[in-house]
Order: sequence, then structure tokens, then C-alpha cells
Amino acid sequence: SYVLTQPPSVSVAPGNTATIACGGNNIRHKNVHWYQQRPGQAPVLVIFYDTDRPSGVPERFSGSKSGNTATLTISRVEAGDAADYYCQVWDDTSNHVVFGGGTNLAVL
Amino acid sequence: EVQLLESGGGLVQPGGSLRLSCAASGFTFSTYAMTWVRQAPGKGLEWVSVIRGSGSVTYYGDSVKGRFSISRDNSENTLYLQMNSLRVEDTAVYYCARDPGSAGLYHFDYWGQGTLVTVSS
Repeated sequence: SYVLTQPPSVSVAPGNTATIACGGNNIRHKNVHWYQQRPGQAPVLVIFYDTDRPSGVPERFSGSKSGNTATLTISRVEAGDAADYYCQVWDDTSNHVVFGGGTNLAVL
Repeated sequence: EVQLLESGGGLVQPGGSLRLSCAASGFTFSTYAMTWVRQAPGKGLEWVSVIRGSGSVTYYGDSVKGRFSISRDNSENTLYLQMNSLRVEDTAVYYCARDPGSAGLYHFDYWGQGTLVTVSS
């Protein structure tokens, strides 16, 4: 089955840039989506189709993809960005939705 | 305003059954695929199942296939998850979420607040 690999945690100081990686075999051929989940809340879609941002999501959030890695970048990080972030793809070989293991973003 | 409201969670013994519901409002329910995603305590997101807008096509995660059944009533704007042969490891918050496509675009733009299922003796 298809696997997405994320670092368990990332730390960043307020005002700096956070990057969260999501690795997967041939991920360049898949559409990657990203979700933010604050403690005790439901997930929120922040990036879809690799780079698109839903309305209402700040421009500070951006997505990219290169080789076997997709990346979520958060510029000018704020305290409110502290959350778990999950990448997700559709694996059309298995007809499965696949989530990465999640990355906890700590804002120091 | 899009709203998704899950219900039906609770405490059930191993081997038991439970049916979850997700009441949808604020959009034309029948034109969107819908999904269930769960999250065990302190763990990450795990996809459970997805159903197309028409209800004609369904897919399941490996851990629930053969035990869980997803369905929908488009006349009642409600999504269901029938869970049978429940195991301790099925304990989780279960979220329903909307897929922007009728046939499935397989990302999820609106989520409910979740309902907790606890499987324990």
C-alpha cells in the first residue's frame, strides 16, 4: 500500500518560515492536499492540488512539490499556526485515500 | 453555510455494532461525494471510507473492509456508517467530510466536529 512519510515534529520561531515535508514514491504523479488540525478541533483543508489555497486561508500558506517530496511552507509563522499538519493523496492503484502520519508544528 | 453534524457515537462492547449518521446542510448533498475519517486518541488521521454522490461507488480502508458499510440517503441529506464486529482498535473520533466532486476528487473541504466511538468491555 502507498505510504506518505512526514517528520513527527517541526519547530519554528514566530516570524520565521516553517517547512513541512511529505515524502512518497512517485508523489510527483499524485495530487497532494494538506490539512491543519488544531488541538481539539476538526481538520481544515489549507492546500489542495499541490499548490491551491482555499478561500480564507492566508497567503502565508503555500505548497510545492519536487521529486518524491511535497512541501507545505508557512511564512511569517504566528502562534496560531501551532497545530498538526497532514498531507494526503488518492492512490488510484488501491483506490484508497492515504494520509501522512502528521507533523506537529511547535511555535517557540 | 455548509454544516456537517455527526451523531451515533458511544460505548460499545467488542463484537458489537453501531451506526453513525452525518446530517448535512447548506449544500446540494447529492452532488458531493462524502467520506469518513477517524482518529484514535493521540494518533493521526486514518481514512475509513468514501461514497460517491450517487451512492453507486464506495471504497474502504483495509482495516475496516468487510466490517463497515458506508451509505447515504440523498432525500434526507444524511450519510451513514454501519460498523459491525467492532474491535478495541476501532476506538476513535469519527469525522464525516465533504469531497468537492460528485464522483470523487478525493480531498475534503468541509469537516464535521466528530463523534467518539469507544469499543471496550
